[in-house]
Amino acid sequence: AQSVTQLDSHVSVSEGTPVLLRCNYSSSYSPSLFWYVQHPNKGLQLLLKYTSAATLVKGINGFEAEFKKSETSFHLTKPSAHMSDAAEYFCVVSDALYSGGGADGLTFGKGTHLIIQP
Amino acid sequence: GAGVSQSPSNKVTEKGKDVELRCDPISGHTALYWYRQRLGQGLEFLIYFQGNSAPDKSGLPSDRFSAERTGESVSTLTIQRTQQEDSAVYLCASSLGRGPGNEQFFGPGTRLTVL
Repeated sequence: AQSVTQLDSHVSVSEGTPVLLRCNYSSSYSPSLFWYVQHPNKGLQLLLKYTSAATLVKGINGFEAEFKKSETSFHLTKPSAHMSDAAEYFCVVSDALYSGGGADGLTFGKGTHLIIQP
Repeated sequence: GAGVSQSPSNKVTEKGKDVELRCDPISGHTALYWYRQRLGQGLEFLIYFQGNSAPDKSGLPSDRFSAERTGESVSTLTIQRTQQEDSAVYLCASSLGRGPGNEQFFGPGTRLTVL
């Protein structure tokens, strides 16, 4: 079984300050982990993914995430927030050993709404 | 190139009516997925197609929900006798192949409101 918990439903930061969106997961196998972003009235877009290569993963728009197995975490960070980063962010976990179940084992978190203050 | 498209973008219907939602995947993508996103919630998997067969229907919430796919192209999700709890954004995604290593590309969604 697998699950993902996004610890904050809303995060508010000032433009130009660092962003931290927290995600913890549980998985019976070695997981693949993803972050997706959803801008208003737009489709979900993949920011980055971890699939058992380097533990520090760099994505688009200056975002990165670090896989920490000991902490079962995959937090998303960005050094300096931009107004265009305001959106909903989803952490997603998938069992690498596909054992059946929905959507190739993808389980989505409930999302974190990122607000950027000017 | 064209991404995943969905139609309609918005649908308002009366309780008890049937609705059809359409998804056009990216050309050449063999895998197609339907999800439901309720207000303030993450994505809830509904059904997955590989080609035009649906090996995984485990997420369909009731027998009022059905989906079909023509070849490796268009898919329609049908909801019969809609209920107010069916109100949600319905998202479609496609990928080149199956498995978590294959990125899923999402459409903009259809916002369904059942009055």
